[in-house]
Amino acid sequence: TAGITQAPTSQILAAGRSMTLRCTQDMRHNAMYWYRQDLGLGLRLIHYSNTAGTTGKGEVPDGYSVSRANTDDFPLTLASAVPSQTSVYFCASSVDSDNYGYTFGSGTRLTVV
Amino acid sequence: GQQLNQSPQSMFIQEGEDVSMNCTSSSIFNTWLWYKQDPGEGPVLLIALYKAGELTSNGRLTAQFGITRKDSFLNISASIPSDVGIYFCAGPGSGGSNYKLTFGKGTLLTVNP
Repeated sequence: TAGITQAPTSQILAAGRSMTLRCTQDMRHNAMYWYRQDLGLGLRLIHYSNTAGTTGKGEVPDGYSVSRANTDDFPLTLASAVPSQTSVYFCASSVDSDNYGYTFGSGTRLTVV
Repeated sequence: GQQLNQSPQSMFIQEGEDVSMNCTSSSIFNTWLWYKQDPGEGPVLLIALYKAGELTSNGRLTAQFGITRKDSFLNISASIPSDVGIYFCAGPGSGGSNYKLTFGKGTLLTVNP
């Protein structure tokens, strides 16, 4: 059972460049989320999607955009990366937006230099 | 937004010892969840609590939903090396992020064999 697949596993990115972090789930979950994890700050919500075709802003959305064209995919795009976006990014999903049993991917470690 | 305060920030224990950690909030939560993150992986749900005063076990893990609804506790009995990881409490936030999960900053547990 794959669950949630994130790609790439890790990436070094030059400041100012753009990048899309990929997230795919095979559980037919309606809701999906992007979190970033930073030392001492825990997990913070970037963007979410309650269902295909809808998205919303989380706690730290600035500098990031998302789309949800279908149920399975929820890519996160950095239009012009900055060093403060160096972090570990986790994609998660849940059956629906009222279900808090989130399934997480293994993360993407991004370093912006 | 709502903040969850976890303590302790880190623990270093000997194999076989019992562990206790807690999470507090200035706001009332209607659901408390505990997740564990193994090194290099995403968080995994351990226990979910839905009612004030509820005490729930999952193997050697026991969690309680505080009566005031502003705190929760997680206990691990007879710790083993594979208990190593970061333990997060989480609860549904409120306001702009539409009741998505807010996470505490985590308790890092190290178990010495």
